[in-house]
Amino acid sequence: EVQLVESGGGVVRPGGSLRLSCEASGFALEDYAMSWVRQAPGKGLEWVSGINWNGGSRGYADSVKGRFTISRDIAKKSLFLQMNIVRGEDTALYLCARARGEDYSDAVVIWGQGTVVSVSS
Amino acid sequence: QLAVTQSPSASASLGASVKLTCTLSIEHTSYAVAWHQRQPERGPRYLMKVNSDGSHNKGDGIPDRFSGSSSGAERYLIISSLQSDDEADYYCQTWGIGIQRMFGGGTKLTVL
Repeated sequence: EVQLVESGGGVVRPGGSLRLSCEASGFALEDYAMSWVRQAPGKGLEWVSGINWNGGSRGYADSVKGRFTISRDIAKKSLFLQMNIVRGEDTALYLCARARGEDYSDAVVIWGQGTVVSVSS
Repeated sequence: QLAVTQSPSASASLGASVKLTCTLSIEHTSYAVAWHQRQPERGPRYLMKVNSDGSHNKGDGIPDRFSGSSSGAERYLIISSLQSDDEADYYCQTWGIGIQRMFGGGTKLTVL
């Protein structure tokens, strides 16, 4: 069964850091592009960051550029999002997503359940 | 600027049909879209891809009650024989190089 399971969410102070993880099963992580998408309370879906199938290209939304870093570990079948210098507007449910193909700017076809990040002092 | 826009809400009666609309911006009128369902307290689920010619490709396990079509810059999700379980938020997504704001604002569907 194809599945994505996120972890690592929690409460973090403004200016702090957090690392999210997404464990993939049922498919080879190196065959597909992956993304992080978030949903703030009462808001819609917002693409945050993506990484291509071979790790050679990574992209970020302007709202997180310079603060967040996407990475992956093929051996651990895991995708990560390092969140630094977090702000209140980063409070959201963070969803791991697999693309249809090799490029992160492609349709999402597999979703995780998400992990909640709350930025609060 | 969003690449796709959606009406914030829609409603239809149990057993009836509903057509949800996703409108592509002028720069993206020939693009395909994907439709996703977000039920309360659950992760999103990919429903289908709808192409500019109206053809669509559904995800695994998506019932026949769900279909898609196109007209100009609009891409539709049609749900027939509405069930209470269909009450959810529906998002459309388009994609392409340089598109950051790829998701529409979502349509909240209420089943009466």
